[in-house]
Amino acid sequence: DAGVIQSPRHEVTEMGQEVTLRCKPISGHNSLFWYRQTMMRGLELLIYFNNNVPIDDSGMPEDRFSAKMPNASFSTLKIQPSEPRDSAVYFCASSPGTDTTEAFFGQGTRLTVV
Amino acid sequence: AQSVAQPEDQVNVAEGNPLTVKCTYSVSGNPYLFWYVQYPNRGLQFLLKYITGDNLVKGSYGFEAEFNKSQTSFHLKKPSALVSDSALYFCAVNSYNTDKLIFGTGTRLQVFP
Repeated sequence: DAGVIQSPRHEVTEMGQEVTLRCKPISGHNSLFWYRQTMMRGLELLIYFNNNVPIDDSGMPEDRFSAKMPNASFSTLKIQPSEPRDSAVYFCASSPGTDTTEAFFGQGTRLTVV
Repeated sequence: AQSVAQPEDQVNVAEGNPLTVKCTYSVSGNPYLFWYVQYPNRGLQFLLKYITGDNLVKGSYGFEAEFNKSQTSFHLKKPSALVSDSALYFCAVNSYNTDKLIFGTGTRLQVFP
């Protein structure tokens, strides 16, 4: 298996533009997580899905952020409109979906909003 | 609510010396504890985990961690550090039936030759 695949690896966009980050989890994994990493706040859990259903989105910073998982092999995180303070590395991770199993991370998307 | 604390932003150690990276946790119920490592411009990689049983767990690259319930700690250790161990280390916690992995703020390990 190729692991968790994220695209793009890097994204530079202007303030106010819509940004869509994509994630393909490991086949057979039931849980999918979106994290954001910044120097100031470390690694924050934004949202996680189980069996394609959003379970906890309490970490989503504001309404400009939205996430979807239309099927078991694809998820998106959208920011509309984007702001400079959204600049961060966004990680997607998947796990088999039990509380005792580790999550597997993608390489991340480095987002820069100018 | 579950949480993890990594009290040290950075740990410096000479190559060949033992290293310890500290982690304490707070959960209601039994904790499931994890350590991850992140190399520059990479995603997080799983090192080891504690679920139940023996308090000393062994993982990848010669790392081990000791679960201490009374001190609510799960410190990462290695008997002899390598320069290549230099990276960012994250402790994480989950608890029964949540599947919500919460990470600490990370500790940067610097191993000097």
